[in-house]
Amino acid sequence: KQEVTQIPAALSVPEGENLVLNCSFTDSAIYNLQWFRQDPGKGLTSLLLIQSSQREQTSGRLNASLDKSSGRSTLYIAASQPGDSATYLCAALNYGGATNKLIFGTGTLLAVQP
Amino acid sequence: DTGVSQDPRHKITKRGQNVTFRCDPISEHNRLYWYRQTLGQGPEFLTYFQNEAQLEKSRLLSDRFSAERPKGSFSTLEIQRTEQGDSAMYLCASSLTGSDIQYFGAGTRLSVL
Repeated sequence: KQEVTQIPAALSVPEGENLVLNCSFTDSAIYNLQWFRQDPGKGLTSLLLIQSSQREQTSGRLNASLDKSSGRSTLYIAASQPGDSATYLCAALNYGGATNKLIFGTGTLLAVQP
Repeated sequence: DTGVSQDPRHKITKRGQNVTFRCDPISEHNRLYWYRQTLGQGPEFLTYFQNEAQLEKSRLLSDRFSAERPKGSFSTLEIQRTEQGDSAMYLCASSLTGSDIQYFGAGTRLSVL
């Protein structure tokens, strides 16, 4: 059974800092791994999706890496801004079945101080 | 707005009442998912539809919960005899066969008093 863990649970940084969010998963037979952003009381916005055959994906100031052998993914945010403040969730999609259900971590609450 | 739409956004009900939520997926998306998110946790899978067929239900979906997707378009999630433990954000997502990306709605926040 896939289990996804995220550390830290919360992070506060001053504006302009680079930061790394961590995601660990127990079953390396993943199909892909996604990073989402969730603003308070809102739904989820997909940020980056890394296929199992890929090592990393980049979008603007965001870079996500994937290491299946160690069961880890990281989300790197460069030059953080107050607008980056949100909860960041990672989710694994495993092989097998037709459902494509996502298994989520508990999230990292990020606060970027101006 | 062409995104996933959920209604209502907020629902407050008394314990024991029945509630129904609606999800309108992105047009042409044949896959539809329901997730539940409690405070401080990540979303947990509840159920999945491909077109009008409900293909998987989580063990989290007790017999008080029922979901439908008539005609393979919008979906409804009904909770009968609500309990305080049902208080959560109910999220709907849709996707297209062949795409791995699920698009999420803003969710329905249920509070059971």
